Amino acid sequence: ILNVEQSPQSLHVQEGDSTNFTCSFPSSNFYALHWYRWETAKSPEALFVMTLNGDEKKKGRISATLNTKEGYSYLYIKGSQPEDSATYLCAFSAGAGNMLTFGGGTRLMVKP
Amino acid sequence: KAGVTQTPRYLIKTRGQQVTLSCSPISGHRSVSWYQQTPGQGLQFLFEYFSETQRNKGNFPGRFSGRQFSNSRSEMNVSTLELGDSALYLCASSLFDTQYFGPGTRLTVL
Repeated sequence: ILNVEQSPQSLHVQEGDSTNFTCSFPSSNFYALHWYRWETAKSPEALFVMTLNGDEKKKGRISATLNTKEGYSYLYIKGSQPEDSATYLCAFSAGAGNMLTFGGGTRLMVKP
Repeated sequence: KAGVTQTPRYLIKTRGQQVTLSCSPISGHRSVSWYQQTPGQGLQFLFEYFSETQRNKGNFPGRFSGRQFSNSRSEMNVSTLELGDSALYLCASSLFDTQYFGPGTRLTVL
């Protein structure tokens, strides 16, 4: 059974704060690490797919890093805005094909 | 391009019944995956279909089954429903590595 852990489970920040979350995953049989944003009443939205050790991806104020040797990824949000409030999920895949193992998610709430 | 669509969006069934959920992928996507989301277990992988063949299967009982048609549309079926099958069922389609999720079907089993 693959274990994908995310921390913290929830986070309350003020508008303008920068924040980061952690995703840890098995370091063996790594294929890809995915990050998703899931807003209430909407579909999960893909943020990043990361495949290479040392990979860094950026989309606006959101960025992510990947360390496959030690099995962790960080997601950073710079200058949080209320519209960033969502659950952020990471998912690990151990091979080609689309079997994703999800972490429990980090619920972010940004107060105006 | 239209996104992934799922029907129905909400469903109420009673224990022992069976249910069929439908997923239409993004045009051109040949892979469709299904996930179950419950408060206690989070998002869990059910199965993946690619070109009408099941390519991967998660750790769910045989009551959960699926299929994919030649136009890549997919259905999943749950037979002999149990209370614990109450969940949000999401499907996702993909062309390469990124999976695009539909809005889900909320199933309530009474």
